[in-house]
Amino acid sequence: QKEVEQNSGPLSVPEGAIASLNCTYSDRVSQSFFWYRQYSGKSPELIMSIYSNGDKEDGRFTAQLNKASQYVSLLIRDSQPSDSATYLCAVGPPPGGGADGLTFGKGTHLIIQP
Amino acid sequence: NAGVTQTPKFRILKIGQSMTLQCTQDMNHNYMYWYRQDPGMGLKLIYYSVGAGITDKGEVPNGYNVSRSTTEDFPLRLELAAPSQTSVYFCASRSMARGHNSPLHFGNGTRLTVT
Repeated sequence: QKEVEQNSGPLSVPEGAIASLNCTYSDRVSQSFFWYRQYSGKSPELIMSIYSNGDKEDGRFTAQLNKASQYVSLLIRDSQPSDSATYLCAVGPPPGGGADGLTFGKGTHLIIQP
Repeated sequence: NAGVTQTPKFRILKIGQSMTLQCTQDMNHNYMYWYRQDPGMGLKLIYYSVGAGITDKGEVPNGYNVSRSTTEDFPLRLELAAPSQTSVYFCASRSMARGHNSPLHFGNGTRLTVT
């Protein structure tokens, strides 16, 4: 059974600081990794995807992937109150693993304190 | 493009009633999915489809049925509603641009309460 683990939080970060969100996954051969943001009562919204080891930057967001450690993280620089949300880590199927969607963690609730 | 559209947004059912949650997408995606999300429990896959006429069970299929007669539509059927089916339901789709590594695009969800 594929597993994706996240600390549920809440993670409280002062406005303007860096928020660091972490995720571990169980299937060593997974190749695709995603971060979704979900505001309360809304649907998940894709904010980052990463497929190779290392860092990927997009504006204030940086995704980091370490396949050897089975670890993926999301950094949010210059955190804003509007970043307060639940962040879902999702992992794609392994090669040849079929089309059965993504496996999601339970999410980390992030609170940015003004 | 509207993306993924779900109806209704909210519904209250009595135990034993049936209903169909509608989902349609206009992105010409082959892959479509139904997830349910319970508080603190993350997203669980109910059913998925890789194309018209092809469906398969996910992690929590019991109590649900699906059909896929067209590329655009993927309705989810609840035959005998039970309180355990109280949840938020999300339909999602994705392209084959990166094969099985493409991200999911979600609809706005249906909040279902069974009493």
